[in-house]
Amino acid sequence: QKEVEQDPGPLSVPEGAIVSLNCTYSNSAFQYFMWYRQYSRKGPELLMYTYSSGNKEDGRFTAQVDKSSKYISLFIRDSQPSDSATYLCAMSGGSNYKLTFGKGTLLTVNP
Amino acid sequence: DADVTQTPRNRITKTGKRIMLECSQTKGHDRMYWYRQDPGLGLRLIYYSFDVKDINKGEISDGYSVSRQAQAKFSLSLESAIPNQTALYFCATSDRTGRLETQYFGPGTRLLVL
Repeated sequence: QKEVEQDPGPLSVPEGAIVSLNCTYSNSAFQYFMWYRQYSRKGPELLMYTYSSGNKEDGRFTAQVDKSSKYISLFIRDSQPSDSATYLCAMSGGSNYKLTFGKGTLLTVNP
Repeated sequence: DADVTQTPRNRITKTGKRIMLECSQTKGHDRMYWYRQDPGLGLRLIYYSFDVKDINKGEISDGYSVSRQAQAKFSLSLESAIPNQTALYFCATSDRTGRLETQYFGPGTRLLVL
């Protein structure tokens, strides 16, 4: 079993839809949970992070962590065409806190 | 100016050739990383360096080598390129605030091995 599993999609939604992106993980040492956004032909960039369990909101984006289920989510409200990108979950914990990435989910928001 | 730069941005080479990909950063970070990204496989860590004298293999280091010339420079070499090394390569640096590690990625190098 891979440490981090992420459905690669692709996911296509109409503008204004609520988008849900998810990852599962197996390593209980993970404490920091991040979402990176990668536009086409660009490097990934950090979108938001959460420490341990709970929710975090930033504008139209909400990150949720359920450590008991080893499941994290990113919700995008009122999705816009500019949200079209690949979204990668990433996690860290343990002795050196290196990041472990999911494979990424390709999202397209259609006008 | 970009904080993490990679050169070249695109490269076509032939099987058996030696090539070097270079990464420079102005963020002042100690930690630097090389990843490759392939469709369906995501980001895979090749090598990482926590400081100039500390270099470590990642999950897919075979066929690659690295050099950390200075805090700001980290190069990746393919000693004898093969077609399955065709991929998008990213350099990243990281900043640790307490236990949170935030990685900052360069724009990537698109490599094609014929």
